Amino acid sequence: GQQVMQIPQYQHVQEGEDFTTYCNSSTTLSNIQWYKQRPGGHPVFLIQLVKSGEVKKQKRLTFQFGEAKKNSSLHITATQTTDVGTYYCAGLSSNTGKLIFGQGTTLQVKP
Amino acid sequence: DAGVIQSPRHEVTEMGQEVTLRCKPISGHNSLFWYRQTMMRGLELLIYFNNNVPIDDSGMPEDRFSAKMPNASFSTLKIQPSEPRDSAVYFCASYRAPSPLHFGNGTRLTVT
Repeated sequence: GQQVMQIPQYQHVQEGEDFTTYCNSSTTLSNIQWYKQRPGGHPVFLIQLVKSGEVKKQKRLTFQFGEAKKNSSLHITATQTTDVGTYYCAGLSSNTGKLIFGQGTTLQVKP
Repeated sequence: DAGVIQSPRHEVTEMGQEVTLRCKPISGHNSLFWYRQTMMRGLELLIYFNNNVPIDDSGMPEDRFSAKMPNASFSTLKIQPSEPRDSAVYFCASYRAPSPLHFGNGTRLTVT
């Protein structure tokens, strides 16, 4: 079945360092969504990418959607302690209409 | 907008007991999802409904799990009988295209 793989599983950075998480799907996606879950909280929507090669920015966060619409990345510039949490990508399958989440990348930021 | 409402927030039960988790989606949303989250397996899609109809339940672990959506404003996830390995946080989420998925606060289930 469809799989969405996300790496790395964990990342520890010093405050001010950059951070990137990568997402790969086994099938072509209609869109990809990114969510952030703070410790003890629930996933909260960050952004959706729809077009091949699309790049979107939210302040220090940059999101990319691959040309083949099978991979995506989230890059955070100059991390802050408020960036701590687990970042999930979720791919909407072109074939099935199912939204499948990656395993998530948990970010720890040392002040 | 009250958001997706789940109850209870916490549930502690003994092995073998029946557990029912409840969800009220956002009004107007026509798709509802049940997810289970554990440290080992992350977020797993259990089942999703579109217009109250179950579309895909391939993620439901086994026959002990069942889900219903009798109307557009209510869904339940039932585990009978419960087992310790069912301990997890269960999230309900809803959406209506093109809006994104909105998650409830989750139910933390502990089966002893």
